[in-house]
Amino acid sequence: NAGVTQTPKFRVLKTGQSMTLLCAQDMNHEYMYWYRQDPGMGLRLIHYSVGEGTTAKGEVPDGYNVSRLKKQNFLLGLESAAPSQTSVYFCASTRGAEFWGPLHFGNGTRLTVT
Amino acid sequence: EDKVVQSPLSLVVHEGDTVTLNCSYEVTNFRSLLWYKQEKKAPTFLFMLTSSGIEKKSGRLSSILDKKELFSILNITATQTGDSAVYLCAVEVSNFGNEKLTFGTGTRLTIIP
Repeated sequence: NAGVTQTPKFRVLKTGQSMTLLCAQDMNHEYMYWYRQDPGMGLRLIHYSVGEGTTAKGEVPDGYNVSRLKKQNFLLGLESAAPSQTSVYFCASTRGAEFWGPLHFGNGTRLTVT
Repeated sequence: EDKVVQSPLSLVVHEGDTVTLNCSYEVTNFRSLLWYKQEKKAPTFLFMLTSSGIEKKSGRLSSILDKKELFSILNITATQTGDSAVYLCAVEVSNFGNEKLTFGTGTRLTIIP
């Protein structure tokens, strides 16, 4: 069972570069989330999706875009990376509103923007 | 704005001690409160609490929720070095099909052998 898989695991970007983080889940979950984790800040929600083709803003959406074209994938894009986006990014998923349960997390992507 | 506050921020104890971690919250449309343990990588699920006053227990770990006073505690008895981790509290907010979790900043627990 793969669960939630994030790629890549590590990435270093220069300011202004763009990249896409991929999250894939094989549990047929409806809801998917992108969080960032910074020292002393806990996990903060960037964007989330409650089903294929839907996206919604979280707590810290600026500078990020997302897409959920397929149910199993949730992509997080940085169009023009900034040093403030240096962080560890976690993707998570759960079944859905009616059967809401604990989030299943991926192992994270460590992104450094220089 | 939904808020989840954990205390203490960090805690260092000796192996065998008992610890209590705190989580208070102020949110609209509370649905559940969850505890996670985070070691090196992804947070792993510990407990989900929805009803007030009912203790959830798993081995040496237990947790209880007080919905009137808006807080939860996580107890760990007879601590071991493997309990060293960041413990995260999160509150699920229900918003008509847009459920999401708001996390606290975590408590870093260090167990000294």
